[in-house]
Amino acid sequence: KQEVTQIPAALSVPEGENLVLNCSFTDSAIYNLQWFRQDPGKGLTSLLLIQSSQREQTSGRLNASLDKSSGRSTLYIAASQPGDSATYLCADGMSARQLTFGSGTQLTVLP
Amino acid sequence: EPEVTQTPSHQVTQMGQEVILRCVPISNHLYFYWYRQILGQKVEFLVSFYNNEISEKSEIFDDQFSVERPDGSNFTLKIRSTKLEDSAMYFCASRAGTGVSGEQYFGPGTRLTVT
Repeated sequence: KQEVTQIPAALSVPEGENLVLNCSFTDSAIYNLQWFRQDPGKGLTSLLLIQSSQREQTSGRLNASLDKSSGRSTLYIAASQPGDSATYLCADGMSARQLTFGSGTQLTVLP
Repeated sequence: EPEVTQTPSHQVTQMGQEVILRCVPISNHLYFYWYRQILGQKVEFLVSFYNNEISEKSEIFDDQFSVERPDGSNFTLKIRSTKLEDSAMYFCASRAGTGVSGEQYFGPGTRLTVT
């Protein structure tokens, strides 16, 4: 059974800092890896999707990488802002039909 | 920009009652999903639906749960006899039919409270 782990569980950084969120998965036979943002009590906003054949994807200040051989993905956030404060979830598409989620990293960016 | 919508945003029901949670997926999408998130826990997969039938379901999705696409736009999740442990946020998601690796788009969720 696929397990997805995110470390750290919580992270607090000063505004302007670059940061990296980590995601690891136990089975490398994934179709894709998707990163989401979740604000308190809200839904999931898709940030980036990396296909299994890709190594990274970029969107604005966000860059996600995928290393299937080591079972790891990272989300890099450049020049963090207080508005980036949220919980960040990674989810792997092990099956074409479902996503398996990690427990998330709660990010706080201090002004 | 197209988005997945869900109604109601919050549903309170008594234990043993039936509830129907409604979703309108993105219009040209072909794959539909329900997930749930119990407070403080991970988002968990419940069921996927394609071509008017269930394509995959988790062990959570027992006989008390059912899904339906009653018309060309709505996708519903029914819980026949709710239990206290069904209290959670329920998310609907949809995906376009472009191969096996397409992005899933999530709705804002329905918070179900069973008392």
